[in-house]
Amino acid sequence: KQEVTQIPAALSVPEGENLVLNCSFTDSAIYNLQWFRQDPGKGLTSLLLIQSSQREQTSGRLNASLDKSSGRSTLYIAASQPGDSATYLCAPCGATNKLIFGTGTLLAVQP
Amino acid sequence: DVKVTQSSRYLVKRTGEKVFLECVQDMDHENMFWYRQDPGLGLRLIYFSYDVKMKEKGDIPEGYSVSREKKERFSLILESASTNQTSMYLCASGTLSYNEQFFGPGTRLTVL
Repeated sequence: KQEVTQIPAALSVPEGENLVLNCSFTDSAIYNLQWFRQDPGKGLTSLLLIQSSQREQTSGRLNASLDKSSGRSTLYIAASQPGDSATYLCAPCGATNKLIFGTGTLLAVQP
Repeated sequence: DVKVTQSSRYLVKRTGEKVFLECVQDMDHENMFWYRQDPGLGLRLIYFSYDVKMKEKGDIPEGYSVSREKKERFSLILESASTNQTSMYLCASGTLSYNEQFFGPGTRLTVL
């Protein structure tokens, strides 16, 4: 059974700092991995999708990497801003076509 | 942009009531999903559907049913609402090929 762990559970950084969020998963037989952000009381917003054949994917200040063999993905946020404050969730997708979610990293960017 | 809408942002129901949560997507996606999200438990899959009139149980289907009569609409039904079904309900849709999922804004359901 796929288990997903996100470290750290919470992170507080000053504005402008570069930061890395970590995601590890136990079953490396995945088709893709998706990163989301969730604002309090809201739905999930898709940030990046990495296919299993890809090593990384970029969107603006965000860069996600995937090392399938070691069961790890990282989300790099450059030049963080207060508007980046949210919970970040990773979710690998396996053969069942289901996403398995981590418990998330709560990010606070201080102005 | 993909748009997934849910019929209500907030809903308050009584124990024993039948509750319908509606979800509509406008991107012609084959896949649709219903999740619930609870503090400390994360997102858990209730039901999903790969096509019209198809449904598959997720990890926690007990006490729920679903209906997909049209490709763009996926309904979650609580046959007899109970207090332990108080939760945030999230609907998502996704493509068959990549299964990139897009979520609606969520429905905060309170069962009294």
